[in-house]
Amino acid sequence: DVKVTQSSRYLVKRTGEKVFLECVQDMDHENMFWYRQDPGLGLRLIYFSYDVKMKEKGDIPEGYSVSREKKERFSLILESASTNQTSMYLCASSSGGRYQGYTFGSGTRLTVV
Amino acid sequence: GIQVEQSPPDLILQEGANSTLRCNFSDSVNNLQWFHQNPWGQLINLFYIPSGTKQNGRLSATTVATERYSLLYISSSQTTDSGVYFCAVEGSGSRLTFGEGTQLTVNP
Repeated sequence: DVKVTQSSRYLVKRTGEKVFLECVQDMDHENMFWYRQDPGLGLRLIYFSYDVKMKEKGDIPEGYSVSREKKERFSLILESASTNQTSMYLCASSSGGRYQGYTFGSGTRLTVV
Repeated sequence: GIQVEQSPPDLILQEGANSTLRCNFSDSVNNLQWFHQNPWGQLINLFYIPSGTKQNGRLSATTVATERYSLLYISSSQTTDSGVYFCAVEGSGSRLTFGEGTQLTVNP
């Protein structure tokens, strides 16, 4: 089975800190995605990547950046964390081609205080 | 972008009951998936179903692409079915857009 691993289940950070959320997948998938989930808003796409060293903005990229130096790893970076970035962050990967079954990690619940 | 609407937003059932969840979308899609998010936050892919009907145990799904809707059926519900059910679609771009989900509670 494809496994998507997020490095932390829970994180608490202070306002203004630089925060790294790490995601690793083990099935050589080309595509990787970062979503955030908030009550009443569903899942919203922050950034995605179709290949190493490439990135595309999703629907809510403001305040975030990403890095994909290796195919299996996709990092989400909060340059200066703010309280409105308190959320559940979900990473996903998928293979390219017609069938794009997505596999999600178990999520990182980030609290910014 | 493509819009996804799910109904009902909340559903409470007694164990053993059947239910139907609906997903409407605003444009033609290349991909439609149903996910279940368990109480611990894990999203599990239930069906990849851009068109047609599929069944997996007590769950089945039907997508009528020409009418832009999909239905998820849960039969003989169990308490472990509780959680949030999401419909997600992919339009012309290779990215999924999610609905806001249906919160299902199955009581013993």
